[in-house]
Amino acid sequence: QTVVTQEPSFSVSLGGTVTLTCGLSSGSVSTGYYPTWYQQTPGQAPRTLIYSTNSRSSGVPDRFSGSILGNKAALTITGAQADDECDYYCTLYIGSGIWVFGGGTKLTVL
Amino acid sequence: EVQLLESGGGLVQPGGSLRLSCAASGLTFSNYAMTWVRQAPGMGLEWVSVIGADEISTYYAQSVKGRFTISRDNSKNTLYLQMNSLRAEDTAVYYCARDLTGSYRTPPDLWGQGTLVTVSS
Repeated sequence: QTVVTQEPSFSVSLGGTVTLTCGLSSGSVSTGYYPTWYQQTPGQAPRTLIYSTNSRSSGVPDRFSGSILGNKAALTITGAQADDECDYYCTLYIGSGIWVFGGGTKLTVL
Repeated sequence: EVQLLESGGGLVQPGGSLRLSCAASGLTFSNYAMTWVRQAPGMGLEWVSVIGADEISTYYAQSVKGRFTISRDNSKNTLYLQMNSLRAEDTAVYYCARDLTGSYRTPPDLWGQGTLVTVSS
């Protein structure tokens, strides 16, 4: 069974930069997994930030960026703002029509 | 404006059935694959199922395979999820989402507000 891993929690200083990662329990994440990132505030539906590794969804500010770092997908937030404090999820396409979500990262802005 | 409106959630006993609907507006529904994702209370997102724009390609998470059936009616701009043999662990908010393209190989992109399904006796 494929498990997608994310840091359970992370903190960043107001105005700082943070990189969240999305890995696989076994193997490396590549662009072929089409890593996609979502942002979710409590009680709200998710919002797409990044798809296909590094393409920003419509209306997403350019301080959100995606990449592959080593063997993981990464979401970098530069100039963190107070309302960036929420949950972030990644999903990977593992083939045969199946997508798997990571467990999510709860981001705190200090 | 694109809108996805889920309905059909509610309280159901273990072993029971429920049919969720997702009415789409503001988009050419037949051009997009559609996905169901669920979120148990206080937990993360779980991908459930996808149907391609062709109405034929369907795929399921192992946790629901054989119990849930995804379908769509492009003439009514509506997505469905038939859920049978429900278990307590199926309790969640169920979101429908429009995928990025007509292919099931692209991720969920635009999300509805969700409908709560509670499985309990």
